[in-house]
Amino acid sequence: NAGVTQTPKFRILKIGQSMTLQCTQDMNHNYMYWYRQDPGMGLKLIYYSVGAGITDKGEVPNGYNVSRSTTEDFPLRLELAAPSQTSVYFCAYRGEEKLFFGSGTQLSVL
Amino acid sequence: GENVEQHPSTLSVQEGDSAVIKCTYSDSASNYFPWYKQELGKRPQLIIDIRSNVGEKKDQRIAVTLNKTAKHFSLHITETQPEDSAVYFCAATSDFGNEKLTFGTGTRLTIIP
Repeated sequence: NAGVTQTPKFRILKIGQSMTLQCTQDMNHNYMYWYRQDPGMGLKLIYYSVGAGITDKGEVPNGYNVSRSTTEDFPLRLELAAPSQTSVYFCAYRGEEKLFFGSGTQLSVL
Repeated sequence: GENVEQHPSTLSVQEGDSAVIKCTYSDSASNYFPWYKQELGKRPQLIIDIRSNVGEKKDQRIAVTLNKTAKHFSLHITETQPEDSAVYFCAATSDFGNEKLTFGTGTRLTIIP
């Protein structure tokens, strides 16, 4: 599904470093989401956006920030990486009344 | 908030047999229940979904049933094949149209040839 592109695919961070996970779509979808998936667990919603300039917290927003300056881009920012943020991060969009996920970013914080 | 419980956590079935995965939810206002399949190292992909105004939905070998009174829904896979091996996640939301989904913890399904 090429509806949304995530970069990078893999990243290792040191504790306290910062980084931005990129998520881009070119199909004019308004609704976009960031989920994280911990090993053996389901996905948990971090932040979501219903359109450019509008973002809101999900279930686990602490330690993260997002922005939505354009419809196309929905980056996720980690300011002070912690080991608890080691996870797989999925960006998603809502299309055809369903949720579609990107290919994910595997992040390790050591 | 919504809480979704999923059982079993692992399931092994002989090829050709049926598999059933069950989920319960806590929020009686939940109105949309999708199921996702995730193969190893891949993204979750929607395989079937159901809305609260429907009791059952089928798509070839896959079906989902919903019992609103008991607040549970189930995934049924018939005539299982090796390619059905994956982790399956149920989810629920009371905010259909926003897809702020609450996910279950997943079921690892293994099909034994």
